[in-house]
Parts: sequence; C-alpha cells; structure tokens
Amino acid sequence: DTAVSQTPKYLVTQMGNDKSIKCEQNLGHDTMYWYKQDSKKFLKIMFSYNNKELIINETVPNRFSPKSPDKAHLNLHINSLELGDSAVYFCASSYAVGNTEAFFGQGTRLTVV
Amino acid sequence: TQLLEQSPQFLSIQEGENLTVYCNSSSVFSSLQWYRQEPGEGPVLLVTVVTGGEVKKLKRLTFQFGDARKDSSLHITAAQPGDTGLYLCAGHLYNDYKLSFGAGTTVTVRA
Repeated sequence: DTAVSQTPKYLVTQMGNDKSIKCEQNLGHDTMYWYKQDSKKFLKIMFSYNNKELIINETVPNRFSPKSPDKAHLNLHINSLELGDSAVYFCASSYAVGNTEAFFGQGTRLTVV
Repeated sequence: TQLLEQSPQFLSIQEGENLTVYCNSSSVFSSLQWYRQEPGEGPVLLVTVVTGGEVKKLKRLTFQFGDARKDSSLHITAAQPGDTGLYLCAGHLYNDYKLSFGAGTTVTVRA
C-alpha cells in the first residue's frame, strides 16, 4: 500500500499548456504539502494545507494553484507552463503541522519543452 | 540565501571508510531532521533530533544536534554501497510551519 501517491510520475508537455498533478495520502494525516526540487536537488516548499485549509503559500507564481477537495487529496494545477517550471514536484503529508515527520511521494518529473 | 547550509556538497568514498556530513545555520531550530533520497524516489526520514546536544544512533549512522540547536551532523561508520544517496537535513524554526531543507549532500560509496 503506497502511503503518498502522486500521478503522473513523468509529464512532458509544451510551453503554454495547462497541466495537473494529483496527490493522495492514505495515512490519515491532516497536513499535505507541495515541494519543488530543482536541477540542483534543492527542495523548496510551495504550498501547505491543513485540513483543507491553505496555511503556507510561498512566493510562487499564481499560475500554480493547489486544490484540496478533502484532507486526503492535494492536487496541483499549473497554467501556461513555462520552461522554468521544469523540475521534480513532490507531494508530502504529515500527521500535523510543525515538528512532525514528512512522508513524501515518489515525485512527478515535469519537463516543459 | 539558504537557511540550512550543508557540506560537503559531494562525497565519494571507498566501502569501509567513515564519513561525516554537516548541516549548519545561524538560526535556532526547534528540531532538525535528516532524510535520505534515492534516485527516482522521494526523501525518506532517517531521524529527528529535538534536544540540544542530543545524539541518536541508527545502526552505523550517528546523528548529533548541536548544543545551541543551530547545527547537526551525520556520521556513517564503515560505509557500504547501500548508503549511497542524497542526504538532506531539514528543520523547523520555532513557531514556523515550514520545514526548510538544506541543499543536500550526494554520497557515493564505491565497492
């Protein structure tokens, strides 16, 4: 049973397109996150939701819009994709906000051509 | 500038050797975590340290949290090829929801 699953694992698309990445966790956690890992492997938080409420919204272009239909799901929609959006996007969850372990999905490698 | 600075960035050693990875900051953390990430996978938590001066051991891995809660180290004894991976430190500042990551140390253990 996969704890945090995200789809798709690979996504290749053209500039200007709109795409979505889906994430689901079956751990019963209250908090979910989206992280972006760049080509130098640096992981930077983008968004966090706690019980479907947005609690962290870093300096991210508003072309990126997260949506949490329920606390087990956090999807990421990206409009008007740009070359610089190419990266690996990780979904994660934790029991609660603060000092708790984060469980990560396998990542979605997004390539914009 | 990053909140957590990791060094070295890359480390390549022979099987059986020891290695240490450092994670430093000018900020005080309520806790620090170490993760290992393998190619094509997400990071997996190895340990969380919460008390200044704390030392935790996980088989051949020893983790230390600095007395001032600003730094941490990961020491691997008698490294094996299976220890190869990207090691990431991450921490929570007090009263901050965010888990901030260091840039990572890529460890390669040659057989």
